[in-house]
Amino acid sequence: DAGITQSPRHKVTETGTPVTLRCHQTENHRYMYWYRQDPGHGLRLIHYSYGVKDTDKGEVSDGYSVSRSKTEDFLLTLESATSSQTSVYFCAISESPGPDTEAFFGQGTRLTVV
Amino acid sequence: GNSVTQMEGPVTLSEEAFLTINCTYTATGYPSLFWYVQYPGEGLQLLLKATKADDKGSNKGFEATYRKETTSFHLEKGSVQVSDSAVYFCALTHSSNTGKLIFGQGTTLQVKP
Repeated sequence: DAGITQSPRHKVTETGTPVTLRCHQTENHRYMYWYRQDPGHGLRLIHYSYGVKDTDKGEVSDGYSVSRSKTEDFLLTLESATSSQTSVYFCAISESPGPDTEAFFGQGTRLTVV
Repeated sequence: GNSVTQMEGPVTLSEEAFLTINCTYTATGYPSLFWYVQYPGEGLQLLLKATKADDKGSNKGFEATYRKETTSFHLEKGSVQVSDSAVYFCALTHSSNTGKLIFGQGTTLQVKP
């Protein structure tokens, strides 16, 4: 199994509070991604990173920010959580962006905003 | 824009039945196509892939053929087992997309003994 650890695995938070989710990898892969999984939508890309301090927005980036100060860590922050951000969040990594490259996924973080 | 559409679930089958999960895509150029599987309580893992037209991806008895003329990548298995119960996602990526994956909605498969 690829070495990807997401923390926390479960979190309940209140509306309006900041939340940070962490993705840690031991594979030294350059590319890292944050997706959210919602019923009827599959997975949608929030933000991704193509190197240390190099990040870009995905399809559903509003209300989220990310940081990557080290190759192994990719943080996702909800500045002020809303109920619409209740979801399961997955981190993924890949070695390169090529069409033949496999993405490896973490086990997910279930976030509930009440 | 690029998109992936999967058949609605859930799909319920008896053990040893034949499985087909339909997947069609919209994309410019020549995307790569994937099937990912998510077992209960776990993250996604790659099941199979195809990177060009007419390629057939296969793994664990599952197969899918990249059909450019019908923009499809249907997943098939000749005889399902209870252990195949999971959520299946069809996805695509473009070389210009820095590895970003575009997923279908997911199809839940339940196999009964």
